[in-house]
Amino acid sequence: ETGVTQTPRHLVMGMTNKKSLKCEQHLGHNAMYWYKQSAKKPLELMFVYNFKEQTENNSVPSRFSPECPNSSHLFLHLHTLQPEDSALYLCASSQSAGQPNEKLFFGSGTQLSVL
Amino acid sequence: QKEVEQDPGPLSVPEGAIVSLNCTYSNSAFQYFMWYRQYSRKGPELLMYTYSSGNKEDGRFTAQVDKSSKYISLFIRDSQPSDSATYLCAMGNQGGKLIFGQGTELSVKP
Repeated sequence: ETGVTQTPRHLVMGMTNKKSLKCEQHLGHNAMYWYKQSAKKPLELMFVYNFKEQTENNSVPSRFSPECPNSSHLFLHLHTLQPEDSALYLCASSQSAGQPNEKLFFGSGTQLSVL
Repeated sequence: QKEVEQDPGPLSVPEGAIVSLNCTYSNSAFQYFMWYRQYSRKGPELLMYTYSSGNKEDGRFTAQVDKSSKYISLFIRDSQPSDSATYLCAMGNQGGKLIFGQGTELSVKP
């Protein structure tokens, strides 16, 4: 295991539902990330937290709302999603953010399907 | 033009073959080059990390960077079925944001 745990592994939700994705890292890292991975597309960075402070919001729609209560936990709150939001959502952590040689450790992801 | 271009494949080779995976990039500010491997239903894991032009070897894997041509490669010698995965190139600069390629799906047939 990579030391980054994501739950749930799979999620099916309707467009009017509200759900949350959870990520926990056991590596003592200070930075945590949300990425979106769609088929045949590059990983898309969504949010970055460094020492619990959000340092990057990559023009993500407001129907995605991140929360980082401490350096070990990261949430992604979802509401009124669209079918095109169906994708694999990956959480990652690194020692700190903003370093040019940062090495990311990824969780296994949550496969999200929006009906 | 995309910052990073990677042939999505799929690429299918027989066991024991030499595999070459490639990425091209347009941003000359990139200084750090990485290869991640992603097995089915798993997240990416860092496989190789290089800085500056040249080669870096780790067992059956060799990462090559040619900054003058803005081209990086990952070579896998004596490929095994366990190497079947999607390989993602990634690049970073002083700003710290990693840019990923779209990944190449590799299948090694026994």
